[in-house]
Amino acid sequence: DSGVTQTPKHLITATGQRVTLRCSPRSGDLSVYWYQQSLDQGLQFLIQYYNGEERAKGNILERFSAQQFPDLHSELNLSSLELGDSALYFCASSVGGGGTEAFFGQGTRLTVV
Amino acid sequence: AQSVTQPDIHITVSEGASLELRCNYSYGATPYLFWYVQSPGQGLQLLLKYFSGDTLVQGIKGFEAEFKRSQSSFNLRKPSVHWSDAAEYFCAVGSFYAYSGAGSYQLTFGKGTKLSVIP
Repeated sequence: DSGVTQTPKHLITATGQRVTLRCSPRSGDLSVYWYQQSLDQGLQFLIQYYNGEERAKGNILERFSAQQFPDLHSELNLSSLELGDSALYFCASSVGGGGTEAFFGQGTRLTVV
Repeated sequence: AQSVTQPDIHITVSEGASLELRCNYSYGATPYLFWYVQSPGQGLQLLLKYFSGDTLVQGIKGFEAEFKRSQSSFNLRKPSVHWSDAAEYFCAVGSFYAYSGAGSYQLTFGKGTKLSVIP
């Protein structure tokens, strides 16, 4: 158990809908990272937050957004969902803003039908 | 920009045989390097990491990796593979860069190498 908790574990939704994925980092970790894992693209970095502030942005679509709350949990919002958004979404956390290893949650498997 | 290449998409070894998974990175400065393992339906688990110092690092489950700066490589090895090692392995590089006027840090992953173990 990495200490990073993601909910829900599975999510099935229809195209055009909006979903929210939730992540609770390890106790004491200030950084949260979101990744998307698909068969064709591999592990793609989406976005990072550090202590509530956006710190880095990767290949995140404009339809996607995220935030980190004062209690340090984070949410990834995916809207206007398309079939191609079906993937495994991982959250990871680390102690600092960088230079350390990240610990991953079990992921949320999103299926868009 | 930093990048990670894992040249082998799929490797099959016999149980008890030795293993080497290749990883090459591209990064202008001294990188932070990691190997993660992902079992089916699971998240990524950290096997080992290299930040500085001894270029041969030991990890969990009997794995080790060697950092070779001249070859920009960080290959993962295990002397004797067990059936439970069957999984997907990801190499990652941690790099620093400027973002919105502040320092930022990103983990970039390779595409992964799937390991199958024959009994």
